Amino acid sequence: AQKITQTQPGMFVQEKEAVTLDCTYDTSDQSYGLFWYKQPSSGEMIFLIYQGSYDEQNATEGRYSLNFQKARKSANLVISASQLGDSAMYFCAMRETPYAGNNRKLIWGLGTSLAVNP
Amino acid sequence: EAQVTQNPRYLITVTGKKLTVTCSQNMNHEYMSWYRQDPGLGLRQIYYSMNVEVTDKGDVPEGYKVSRKEKRNFPLILESPSPNQTSLYFCASSPHTTGTTGELFFGEGSRLTVL
Repeated sequence: AQKITQTQPGMFVQEKEAVTLDCTYDTSDQSYGLFWYKQPSSGEMIFLIYQGSYDEQNATEGRYSLNFQKARKSANLVISASQLGDSAMYFCAMRETPYAGNNRKLIWGLGTSLAVNP
Repeated sequence: EAQVTQNPRYLITVTGKKLTVTCSQNMNHEYMSWYRQDPGLGLRQIYYSMNVEVTDKGDVPEGYKVSRKEKRNFPLILESPSPNQTSLYFCASSPHTTGTTGELFFGEGSRLTVL
């Protein structure tokens, strides 16, 4: 069965420093997609970045980058130059592709709470 | 503005009193889904819909119903709510368009408390 593991329940980082949030996944499929979402204290889920299993380069979106190590089944999120507004819960999620039974269900980790200190 | 809108955002109700959480998206997405988020359990899928009049169960459908009569709307119905349905609920949508990442666009969440 597919599974996402986020081993860091909570992380602290100093403002303007970089931080890495860990994510490991388990799947027997060759084709899959990995996502990171941010959930601020207000509750909404905000899409950050996507990595396809066949993508040869690590994904980047502004200050977010994904350190994708396929052989190790890890997809760590790197946030550069942390800002106070980055304080939030961060979730790693995975989906099979092609979509199993056409369901675009995501399998979620339990999240990492990031606090950015001024 | 492209968005998924859920209502109500917050609701306190009592056991057995039927309620509906509405979800509407303005992005013409074919796919819509409901998740619930609980501490220690993460997000779990309740129901999903591939298109109008096409719905199917997710991982935790018991106690819930859905309908998809229009493409933009996907309400979640709790016929007889129970305290174990106290949770944070998310509606999400996604396009079928190939070549996209297919990420889910989420509503702001509906926090439901059943007493």
